[in-house]
Amino acid sequence: EAQVTQNPRYLITVTGKKLTVTCSQNMNHEYMSWYRQDPGLGLRQIYYSMNVEVTDKGDVPEGYKVSRKEKRNFPLILESPSPNQTSLYFCASRGQGHLNTEAFFGQGTRLTVV
Amino acid sequence: EDQVTQSPEALRLQEGESSSLNCSYTVSGLRGLFWYRQDPGKGPEFLFTLYSAGEEKEKERLKATLTKKESFLHITAPKPEDSATYLCAVQAYRAAAGNKLTFGGGTRVLVKP
Repeated sequence: EAQVTQNPRYLITVTGKKLTVTCSQNMNHEYMSWYRQDPGLGLRQIYYSMNVEVTDKGDVPEGYKVSRKEKRNFPLILESPSPNQTSLYFCASRGQGHLNTEAFFGQGTRLTVV
Repeated sequence: EDQVTQSPEALRLQEGESSSLNCSYTVSGLRGLFWYRQDPGKGPEFLFTLYSAGEEKEKERLKATLTKKESFLHITAPKPEDSATYLCAVQAYRAAAGNKLTFGGGTRVLVKP
């Protein structure tokens, strides 16, 4: 089954404690991205990756890092989380073969920073 | 900068009461307009892609249409299981971040039996 898998689904952490949210896809997609979803603001792109070792900032990259060492994995790293990073996070992947392909989204990670 | 505005923010319908959701967009060269459905606590699920003005697509009780400035998602004779948040997103022709989707705020639809 084609899917994007995120872990963990829920996470409560304290300010300043480094954390990583993992994302893995099994569709051999080149393009992967991270979004955060906040009430009234919709989905906003944090970082994206066009392929292995190619990453770039989205609209709201401050406080986040990513890496793309393998095609299937695209972890999101918060080096020093702050309360304003409390949000619902989604990882998504898309193929490049047809440029208008739809994005497949993970189940989401609800992060609370206290 | 690409912009997507969805209206209304929320919609309450009786079962069988048809209605339409609006997605207005501003983009420099539309590559594609996407509709997604999102259930509470879950990731968005793809519904349709529209590429050019005049195009229409249907899936069960849903029909999406596209003009040069907006898209509509028509829900015909909705059922309670159609209750969800419907998201609209656009992708522009742009070399940098070519696959980026810009999302609207969504329309929360509640269908009562």
